[in-house]
Amino acid sequence: RKEVEQDPGPFNVPEGATVAFNCTYSNSASQSFFWYRQDCRKEPKLLMSVYSSGNEDGRFTAQLNRASQYISLLIRDSKLSDSATYLCVVRSNFGNEKLTFGTGTRLTIIP
Amino acid sequence: DVKVTQSSRYLVKRTGEKVFLECVQDMDHENMFWYRQDPGLGLRLIYFSYDVKMKEKGDIPEGYSVSREKKERFSLILESASTNQTSMYLCASTQPRDWTEAFFGQGTRLTVV
Repeated sequence: RKEVEQDPGPFNVPEGATVAFNCTYSNSASQSFFWYRQDCRKEPKLLMSVYSSGNEDGRFTAQLNRASQYISLLIRDSKLSDSATYLCVVRSNFGNEKLTFGTGTRLTIIP
Repeated sequence: DVKVTQSSRYLVKRTGEKVFLECVQDMDHENMFWYRQDPGLGLRLIYFSYDVKMKEKGDIPEGYSVSREKKERFSLILESASTNQTSMYLCASTQPRDWTEAFFGQGTRLTVV
């Protein structure tokens, strides 16, 4: 079983719609969680951290469910510029500082 | 503006060649990482380093080695390149402990022929 699993998509969503991604992780010792965004042929960049209480940044909302070991990302009022691959990332604070990435979910916003 | 710079965007090498991929960061970060990214497999950790001259194996270290002689520079070495090492290679760096963001280089697309 992969440490971090995501639905690879692709998700093709009309502009203005709401879209949600989920991600599950297997290591219960994981402590920190992130969503990264990767544009085509570019490097990953941090979109947002995910906190236990849930957090929001504009049209983006991230949630963490430790009991079920999953993380979600909700994008409201999607824009064409949201088209990208979204990577779920998990870090354990015990031992090394290793980051583990999901395979990514590809999102295309359709005009 | 923080920066992680990889020496090449595109590289073509022959099977059996020794290949060096260089990564430099200007943020005085302790931790540096090398990943490879392949379709359907995502980013997989090859090696990482949390201090000068320190290194640890990641999930897929076979066929690779690394060098960290200076804090700002982390090199990935393919001892004898093979076609299955054709991939996108990404370098990243972070502060030690409680960091909130990993910064990536622009990536090196390596093709081994």
